[in-house]
Amino acid sequence: DVKVTQSSRYLVKRTGEKVFLECVQDMDHENMFWYRQDPGLGLRLIYFSYDVKMKEKGDIPEGYSVSREKKERFSLILESASTNQTSMYLCASRNTGEIGDNSPLHFGNGTRLTVT
Amino acid sequence: AQKVTQAQTEISVVEKEDVTLDCVYETRDTTYYLFWYKQPPSGELVFLIRRNSFDEQNEISGRYSWNFQKSTSSFNFTITASQVVDSAVYFCALNSGYSTLTFGKGTMLLVSP
Repeated sequence: DVKVTQSSRYLVKRTGEKVFLECVQDMDHENMFWYRQDPGLGLRLIYFSYDVKMKEKGDIPEGYSVSREKKERFSLILESASTNQTSMYLCASRNTGEIGDNSPLHFGNGTRLTVT
Repeated sequence: AQKVTQAQTEISVVEKEDVTLDCVYETRDTTYYLFWYKQPPSGELVFLIRRNSFDEQNEISGRYSWNFQKSTSSFNFTITASQVVDSAVYFCALNSGYSTLTFGKGTMLLVSP
């Protein structure tokens, strides 16, 4: 079974702090994704990566950056956390390198981040 | 551009009732894929089904069934004889052309004993 592990289940940070959300997958998947989930807005794509060292902006990249130095790890970085970044963050991976591919995503349990 | 609409924000049923979750999609591509995911209270989204645009055959898996109709751009999900364990948020999603997966806003299903 594919396992996508997010390092923290709950996180509380102060405004202005630099925040790292870590995600690791154990199935050698090429593609990895970061989404945020907010009530009434569903899942929105922040950034994704087709392979190591590659990154692409999603629908709402502002205020975020990412790092993919190793294939199994995809980090989401909030350079200077703000209260409007309080949300549930979901990491996902899938086994392909093609745009528009139909392989299903495998999700982690999510990190609920609160910025005060 | 692609879009997924789940008009039902929240549905409440009593155990053993049948329930249908609606999903309407928009895309200009002729080749596309539709998905349903379940998100239980634990938070992890679980993949339920994938259907491509060339296969309109309905699918049944136990108490779950899916009705894909290209004529109405819909991919509805029915749970027969619902159970408390079916309580979750359900997301419909679309992948077409050279874009990433687009999710609907989700439908929260609450099944009461």
